[in-house]
Amino acid sequence: GAGVSQTPSNKVTEKGKYVELRCDPISGHTALYWYRQSLGQGPEFLIYFQGTGAADDSGLPNDRFFAVRPEGSVSTLKIQRTERGDSAVYLCASSLKRDGPTDTQYFGPGTRLTVL
Amino acid sequence: KNQVEQSPQSLIILEGKNCTLQCNYTVSPFSNLRWYKQDTGRGPVSLTIMTFSENTKSNGRYTATLDADTKQSSLHITASQLSDSASYICVVSVATGGFKTIFGAGTRLFVKA
Repeated sequence: GAGVSQTPSNKVTEKGKYVELRCDPISGHTALYWYRQSLGQGPEFLIYFQGTGAADDSGLPNDRFFAVRPEGSVSTLKIQRTERGDSAVYLCASSLKRDGPTDTQYFGPGTRLTVL
Repeated sequence: KNQVEQSPQSLIILEGKNCTLQCNYTVSPFSNLRWYKQDTGRGPVSLTIMTFSENTKSNGRYTATLDADTKQSSLHITASQLSDSASYICVVSVATGGFKTIFGAGTRLFVKA
């Protein structure tokens, strides 16, 4: 594909519901990142995958958040029992490989999650 | 505590003028510093990346500088265009075994005709 794609572009849900956000990285990129961005703020790191494994999930705020990347390509961010404070834009990025300081991340357009 | 602070928070300039955005960081140990441009409703796009040994990097009308001693960076935009209106985010990566990237809150730039 031409770039990182994310679906849905917008998601409105009710408090307490479960949501899944999908990220399709650039073909061939082994590293994949999830971020959360609140209005007027910079992105906040959530989790980073190298291939199929989560290399660093220290940014996940609590155990309601979980992400998978079973085949080393598409990734899904899962949020259980959503809360109003989870409302934000969830950004996904991919990079060719996690290898040294010049690894450039390419971002998707994000999924805007609104929890009512 | 690892932090990245940007100033000003927002800036309005006239088309054709130059401007400089500031980034101060307390990240340690330092790996690299990137500047991103984020248009409204879009994901950030990388403009420049600098490692410890680099003190300037250009990308068209964008020039970034880095002073690793004072832990300061700047992004200079020359001959601004309306399309430069966006948020500019400074991002610093930590040189540790795990992944650690700290984003600034961004500077919101408005270029007026």
